[in-house]
Amino acid sequence: AQSVTQPDIHITVSEGASLELRCNYSYGATPYLFWYVQSPGQGLQLLLKYFSGDTLVQGIKGFEAEFKRSQSSFNLRKPSVHWSDAAEYFCAVRVTPNFGNEKLTFGTGTRLTIIP
Amino acid sequence: ETGVTQSPTHLIKTRGQQVTLRCSSQSGHNTVSWYQQALGQGPQFIFQYYREEENGRGNFPPRFSGLQFPNYSSELNVNALELDDSALYLCASSLNMAGPYEQYFGPGTRLTVT
Repeated sequence: AQSVTQPDIHITVSEGASLELRCNYSYGATPYLFWYVQSPGQGLQLLLKYFSGDTLVQGIKGFEAEFKRSQSSFNLRKPSVHWSDAAEYFCAVRVTPNFGNEKLTFGTGTRLTIIP
Repeated sequence: ETGVTQSPTHLIKTRGQQVTLRCSSQSGHNTVSWYQQALGQGPQFIFQYYREEENGRGNFPPRFSGLQFPNYSSELNVNALELDDSALYLCASSLNMAGPYEQYFGPGTRLTVT
């Protein structure tokens, strides 16, 4: 079964600094990959996704992520964070077409705190 | 285009009771998935419905059940509530069951079991 690891439970970054959130997955083939953001008490908002093709994907709010097959990683980056980026970030994978098993498997999340 | 909506927003129930949560999928989406998110955890897959049939189930007991209606809206029913059922329940819809389609999430229903 696939699994997702987000090794950083909590990250604190100064406003304007760069950000990288790590995500590693375990799966025999290349899955579909996603990053979601969750503000306190809210649902999940999709930041970006990777299905195939270019391994560097752009998302909303200035985020990007790079898929590295050799490292089974899909790290999320932002060159300059804003106070409004403070939230919980979840990496998720979905196995590629497998009827009857289209679930998303999530990591445990990384809480991002922004300091002035 | 209307997004995914869920009702109610919050709910408090007593152990042993039954609860029904509701979800309206995004316009044009025929697949609905339900997730349970305990405090401080990532969402866990409960089950998925595609064209009114259950299609895939996570590691949840049979007292978690669901329905999908012809308009693709969905219900999650939980019987014999336990304290550990306290969580945020998220509904997600997607354009189709398979293929490169992302899931769009609703705001969730916060269930507290006392």
